[in-house]
Amino acid sequence: KAGVTQTPRYLIKTRGQQVTLSCSPISGHRSVSWYQQTPGQGLQFLFEYFSETQRNKGNFPGRFSGRQFSNSRSEMNVSTLELGDSALYLCASSLGSGALQETQYFGPGTRLLVL
Amino acid sequence: AQSVTQLGSHVSVSEGALVLLRCNYSSSVPPYLFWYVQYPNQGLQLLLKYTSAATLVKGINGFEAEFKKSETSFHLTKPSAHMSDAAEYFCAVSDRRGAQKLVFGQGTRLTINP
Repeated sequence: KAGVTQTPRYLIKTRGQQVTLSCSPISGHRSVSWYQQTPGQGLQFLFEYFSETQRNKGNFPGRFSGRQFSNSRSEMNVSTLELGDSALYLCASSLGSGALQETQYFGPGTRLLVL
Repeated sequence: AQSVTQLGSHVSVSEGALVLLRCNYSSSVPPYLFWYVQYPNQGLQLLLKYTSAATLVKGINGFEAEFKKSETSFHLTKPSAHMSDAAEYFCAVSDRRGAQKLVFGQGTRLTINP
């Protein structure tokens, strides 16, 4: 079974621009979560989507948004990029049962560099 | 709120030596705990998880972890380190406010010396 895929793998943008990242979950998984990883803040939860609806949200500004499509694929968008948005963005998928012990499977990430 | 503390941002061991990576959690209710590994330029791979079925949890690649409620710990061990174990390791707990939200520790970078 194919794993979680993320595109693109690398991105370079300039301040003020916007960016869209894509995530395709494991087949059959209905929940997609997004995390930001930086050297200073570590791994932080952005949001989770399930059945095209945002189910959970982390403490990030409104510039960070996402959506999920009917085939469970998800995109996240960052508008008005800032230097501090440079990070590895990780997507994780799971079945979406809501069980706390449910395993999340991570993709390879998209590395975003903002200049 | 749940939280995780990993003691030691950097651990270095010799090949063949015991690996011990420390994780302490804070939770007002019985937690669900996870260890993930991240190799350079890759995403996170699940090593093992604790779901209250057994306190000693065996994972992939020879790793295991023991849940100790009295010490609020979930340390990761491997009896004999291999060069391929060099990576960053993350301990995480499920945030009960959101089922698919993991709260991660800051990570421990494991270096293996030949």
